[in-house]
Amino acid sequence: NAGVTQTPKFQVLKTGQSMTLQCAQDMNHNSMYWYRQDPGMGLRLIYYSASEGTTDKGEVPNGYNVSRLNKREFSLRLESAAPSQTSVYFCASTLAGVYATGELFFGEGSRLTVL
Amino acid sequence: KNEVEQSPQNLTAQEGEFITINCSYSVGISALHWLQQHPGGGIVSLFMLSSGKKKHGRLIATINIQEKHSSLHITASHPRDSAVYICAALNYGGSQGNLIFGKGTKLSVKP
Repeated sequence: NAGVTQTPKFQVLKTGQSMTLQCAQDMNHNSMYWYRQDPGMGLRLIYYSASEGTTDKGEVPNGYNVSRLNKREFSLRLESAAPSQTSVYFCASTLAGVYATGELFFGEGSRLTVL
Repeated sequence: KNEVEQSPQNLTAQEGEFITINCSYSVGISALHWLQQHPGGGIVSLFMLSSGKKKHGRLIATINIQEKHSSLHITASHPRDSAVYICAALNYGGSQGNLIFGKGTKLSVKP
């Protein structure tokens, strides 16, 4: 069972470069999320998608864009990377839709360093 | 002030000890999650609860809605329980985008 798969696991970028983090789930989940995790802070929501075709900003969306390509895939793009975007990024999914909650399934994380 | 507070921040225990991790929240919630983050970084869901108590193996989670408090208990702790434990609260009436995460409790169980 693959669950939630995110790639790449590690990436080093130079300031100003762009990249896309890919996330795919095979559980037919409705909702997908992108979080960042920084030392000493809780997970913070960047963007989420409550269902295919919809995306919404979370707590820290600046500098990021997302695409819900289909029900399985939710990508996160950094158009012009900045050192402040050095972090560990997690993709997550849940069966529940909006205004509900369900068990969360997380990817293994992507460690991004911006020099 | 963070709306979800966990205590303690760090906890060291001897193998076999009973462990309690606390989570207090200041908002009205419809559900609360307990997550485990392994030393390698992966995050897994342990419990999701909105009332009462849930048990899975040596893990027990309780929640008191009136007191806005939840606890995670580990009985007969083992070194493999060493991890960061995170609670996350879903704002009452909020969408899934309104999960509020605590900063985590780092547990180390010594043999």
